[in-house]
Amino acid sequence: DAGITQSPRYKITETGRQVTLMCHQTWSHSYMFWYRQDLGHGLRLIYYSAAADITDKGEVPDGYVVSRSKTENFPLTLESATRSQTSVYFCASRERQGAGNTIYFGEGSWLTVV
Amino acid sequence: AQTVTQSQPEMSVQEAETVTLSCTYDTSESNYYLFWYKQPPSRQMILVIRQEAYKQQNATENRFSVNFQKAAKSFSLKISDSQLGDTAMYFCAFMRDYGQNFVFGPGTRLSVLP
Repeated sequence: DAGITQSPRYKITETGRQVTLMCHQTWSHSYMFWYRQDLGHGLRLIYYSAAADITDKGEVPDGYVVSRSKTENFPLTLESATRSQTSVYFCASRERQGAGNTIYFGEGSWLTVV
Repeated sequence: AQTVTQSQPEMSVQEAETVTLSCTYDTSESNYYLFWYKQPPSRQMILVIRQEAYKQQNATENRFSVNFQKAAKSFSLKISDSQLGDTAMYFCAFMRDYGQNFVFGPGTRLSVLP
């Protein structure tokens, strides 16, 4: 049972570069999410998707782009990375209904922008 | 908009003792879900316990239990017989019924001391 896998787990990139964080889930969950976690801010929602080809902005979407052409994949792209985007990024998923609406997280992707 | 508050940024407890982590939330919804997630140093997000607001009975999972006070909008987590492996950040989270997204509190860092 693979669950949610994120790649890369660790990435160092330079300011201005484009970076894509991958997320793959094996449960066929309808909803997928991208959060970032920063000291003092807890987890903040960047984007989410209710189904394939349906995405919507969260609390902190600026500087990020998402797509969801297939149910199981939800990549997050930083179009031109900035130092303020240094963070730990979590992908998550949940079913549309049931299971108490529990959200399941990937292991996180640590991104450093220098 | 819903908000989640965790008023204790850091706590410590002696091994085998009991500790209670506080969480309050603000919502006008009548039905919703509340969660506690644990984040150990590995940064993985692990579901600890879940409570459905329409259920009066407090949820329990082994050494973890909650005190859910709907009128007071309070959702505290009690950890009994604390173990060294309980050392982690603990996040309280809220999701309204038919909602799409979780709202997380800022977290409480718990240290279990030998």
